[in-house]
Amino acid sequence: EIVMTQFPATLSVSPGERATLSCRASQSASNSLVWYQQKPGQAPRLLIYGASTRATGIPARFSGSGSGTEFTLTISSLQSEDSAVYYCQQHHKWPLTFGPGTKVDIK
Amino acid sequence: EVQLLESGGGLVQPGESLRLSCAASGFTFSSNAMGWVRQAPGKGLEWVSAISGSGGNTYYADSVKGRFTIFRDNSENTLYLQMNSLRAGDTAVYYCATIPHPHYYFDYWGQGTLVTVSS
Repeated sequence: EIVMTQFPATLSVSPGERATLSCRASQSASNSLVWYQQKPGQAPRLLIYGASTRATGIPARFSGSGSGTEFTLTISSLQSEDSAVYYCQQHHKWPLTFGPGTKVDIK
Repeated sequence: EVQLLESGGGLVQPGESLRLSCAASGFTFSSNAMGWVRQAPGKGLEWVSAISGSGGNTYYADSVKGRFTIFRDNSENTLYLQMNSLRAGDTAVYYCATIPHPHYYFDYWGQGTLVTVSS
């Protein structure tokens, strides 16, 4: 099983500043890595697939990078509506596995 | 517009069974793999099960293998999750989601249905 870790667990960022979230796989996930955003009381929403491709309708301030075991989600200029928990998920090998999430707070 | 509507959740006792349904619309259901993901209260996301568009291939997390069965009715555009021998640890919101085969991640999600297993 590929174990996913995310850090930091919580990130507090001022509006307009950059937020950098990290996701690490215990073994190579190639580029089979996606990012989701989940706001309280809502279902998750797909942000990034293929490690770096934005999903339909996702603002350009969200970007993904990385391959293999190290991945990054960057929010270039944080907006108030970006307050959420962000999860990574690998689909390179079964079973599908999620990271524990990074909570992004607005300072 | 893709719409997924889960139903069937509720309160059951340990050892009992429950069947979840997910009614799909707005896309060609039989062409899409589908999956279930759950989230225990205050916790993260956990993949539960997935099924190919034809229903011929199914996949399960070890935590539910042998107790849960995923299946679909493509004539009714409905996905199911039959859950047997339920445990307290199965308490969660269960989401159904579309999968853009051949890549097994989740691109559209329903709003979820809560399953509570408690005596």
